[in-house]
Amino acid sequence: DAKTTQPTSMDCAEGRAANLPCNHSTISGNEYVYWYRQIHSQGPQYIIHGLKNNETNEMASLIITEDRKSSTLILPHATLRDTAVYYCIVNAGGTSYGKLTFGQGTILTVHP
Amino acid sequence: EPEVTQTPSHQVTQMGQEVILRCVPISNHLYFYWYRQILGQKVEFLVSFYNNEISEKSEIFDDQFSVERPDGSNFTLKIRSTKLEDSAMYFCASNVRWGTLAKDGELFFGEGSRLTVL
Repeated sequence: DAKTTQPTSMDCAEGRAANLPCNHSTISGNEYVYWYRQIHSQGPQYIIHGLKNNETNEMASLIITEDRKSSTLILPHATLRDTAVYYCIVNAGGTSYGKLTFGQGTILTVHP
Repeated sequence: EPEVTQTPSHQVTQMGQEVILRCVPISNHLYFYWYRQILGQKVEFLVSFYNNEISEKSEIFDDQFSVERPDGSNFTLKIRSTKLEDSAMYFCASNVRWGTLAKDGELFFGEGSRLTVL
């Protein structure tokens, strides 16, 4: 799986959009970009994933650059409960049987 | 909302003892996984399981580890002879199928079982 690079930590004010960047310059054509988060020491929680088109769901939006070498997770209106570690993961899907390679992630702190 | 449940939430054991961690995946899911997280470190993949056999395993998953689906609902991780370095949070996960369509990409994780080896 391609390696990802994320900032170690970010801050965001409550109610504002949180934009979390991820670099995956070595991504290959069949690899998807996944975002998960981990609140305190709970189990990771799926947020969103995409291949090349931008994606949106009830939790977040995923913007993938045209060359697919980087992406941004957007939490449109961050709340205190969004304080967590956010992981950007690249995975080839079909043949890798759910083997997600977690990095250190970005510690997002949402403050009042 | 359906969820993955794990028991026990915390287990303390002596080095060399056998430990079984239990998981009840979401009922219609077909793929099952174990991950672990040593305190302060990354979440690490251990093993994936499908159709009653291991699909993939990591280097961590050596002969001391085994997985089993003894009945239609439980999925267990056994550590045969625990070592101090096995102390970690163990997460079970499941999904309907591993693929790329919309929700197929979502792994549902349990809350974890904390194992402390003394």
